[in-house]
Amino acid sequence: SQTIHQWPATLVQPVGSPLSLECTVEGTSNPNLYWYRQAAGRGLQLLFYSVGIGQISSEVPQNLSASRPQDRQFILSSKKLLLSDSGFYLCAWREVSGGPGELFFGEGSRLTVL
Amino acid sequence: GNSVTQMEGPVTLSEEAFLTINCTYTATGYPSLFWYVQYPGEGLQLLLKATKADDKGSNKGFEATYRKETTSFHLEKGSVQVSDSAVYFCALNTNAGKSTFGDGTTLTVKP
Repeated sequence: SQTIHQWPATLVQPVGSPLSLECTVEGTSNPNLYWYRQAAGRGLQLLFYSVGIGQISSEVPQNLSASRPQDRQFILSSKKLLLSDSGFYLCAWREVSGGPGELFFGEGSRLTVL
Repeated sequence: GNSVTQMEGPVTLSEEAFLTINCTYTATGYPSLFWYVQYPGEGLQLLLKATKADDKGSNKGFEATYRKETTSFHLEKGSVQVSDSAVYFCALNTNAGKSTFGDGTTLTVKP
């Protein structure tokens, strides 16, 4: 069966420090991968998605970047964090071939920038 | 573009009450429709789905029917429990790319 792992679960970082959140998927090949952010009490904001290795689409201009160095690995990064980067970050994947297209989410990473 | 509008929360109910969370959508083509649930401190989980008009998705006592004529996918449960307290998201997908989510509705069930 397919699983998705996301880490770290919790992160407290000072303003101006770098960030790296990692997500890996097991049990499937060539999935679509997504990074979402959820601010406190708000809905989901799509940040990046990827349809293949090295292929990244950015949805909103921001202080963050994403990379997909391997088929089932998706990394969210920042060189210098801002206070506004605080939030709950969710990685998700979807099968490309057939099906209604439901998303499978990781457990999330809570980032607090101080 | 595509959009999903769902009932604003928070919603507070007593245990065993009837639940309805409204969801309407705008989409080109023929979307698949979903309800996801997010328990405190966790990621989202798929609750139920429907892929074509008049389909009824159901899971854990929750139901939603895909109504093309009213572009709606309202979530219902006949008798809620304290353990149903969570945030509920309505979403649609028209292709294998991006999903469109509603803003979420927070449900609190009191004993």
